[in-house]
Amino acid sequence: TQLLEQSPQFLSIQEGENLTVYCNSSSVFSSLQWYRQEPGEGPVLLVTVVTGGEVKKLKRLTFQFGDARKDSSLHITAAQPGDTGLYLCAGSTGGFKTIFGAGTRLFVKA
Amino acid sequence: GAVVSQHPSWVICKSGTSVKIECRSLDFQATTMFWYRQFPKQSLMLMATSNEGSKATYEQGVEKDKFLINHASLTLSTLTVTSAHPEDSSFYICSAPDTIYGYTFGSGTRLTVV
Repeated sequence: TQLLEQSPQFLSIQEGENLTVYCNSSSVFSSLQWYRQEPGEGPVLLVTVVTGGEVKKLKRLTFQFGDARKDSSLHITAAQPGDTGLYLCAGSTGGFKTIFGAGTRLFVKA
Repeated sequence: GAVVSQHPSWVICKSGTSVKIECRSLDFQATTMFWYRQFPKQSLMLMATSNEGSKATYEQGVEKDKFLINHASLTLSTLTVTSAHPEDSSFYICSAPDTIYGYTFGSGTRLTVV
C-alpha cells in the first residue's frame, strides 16, 4: 500500500513566523503536487515538482522535491493570516492515479 | 486555465432518496475523472476513477451499487448517491487531469442527508 505521510497535521503560529510542512513516502513519485484548500472549496494547485532535488518558489512559499523523489517540503516564510488553510501534498506514481497526504491545517494568528 | 465545474455546491436530501452530483470540464476534455470524499478536517479519500466509455474503477471498500458513476461524455462525469443515509453526509469533490502534472478540482458538493 502506498502511503504519503504528511506532518505536522496541525500548526498554529503567529504572523511573521516561518514554518515547514513535510511529506514523506517509501514510494518514488513521478511528480508531486502541493494544494491549498479553503473550507467548503476544492483544493487549488500551488505547484508541481517533477525532478529530484527541484526547488520552486512561489512568493513566500518554497517547495522542494527530494533527490530520490520520495519526499517533499513546503516552507513558508513570514506567514500571514491569509496563509491560513489546509495544505495537501499529493504524489503521482505514473498514470493518473494520485495519493494524498493527510493534510496540514495551518492557522496563522494576527 | 482549466476549469472543472461541479454542481450542486450543496444539497440536503431525505434518507432513502438519491442524489446526483455533476462534474464538468469546461474548457478541456477529460477521459478520466476522479471522485473523492472528504470528512471534516480530513484529507481526500479517493472513491473511484471515472472512465469515459467504460466502467468506473472503484477503490476498495467503496460500494459501486451505492455510488453510481457515469462518464457520459468527454466533459461530464456524474456521481449518484443512491438510497442515501445520514452516514453518507460528506463533502464530495471531483477532479480531472488537465496536464501531465496537475489536476484541477471542482469546488465540491456538501451533501447532508437528514
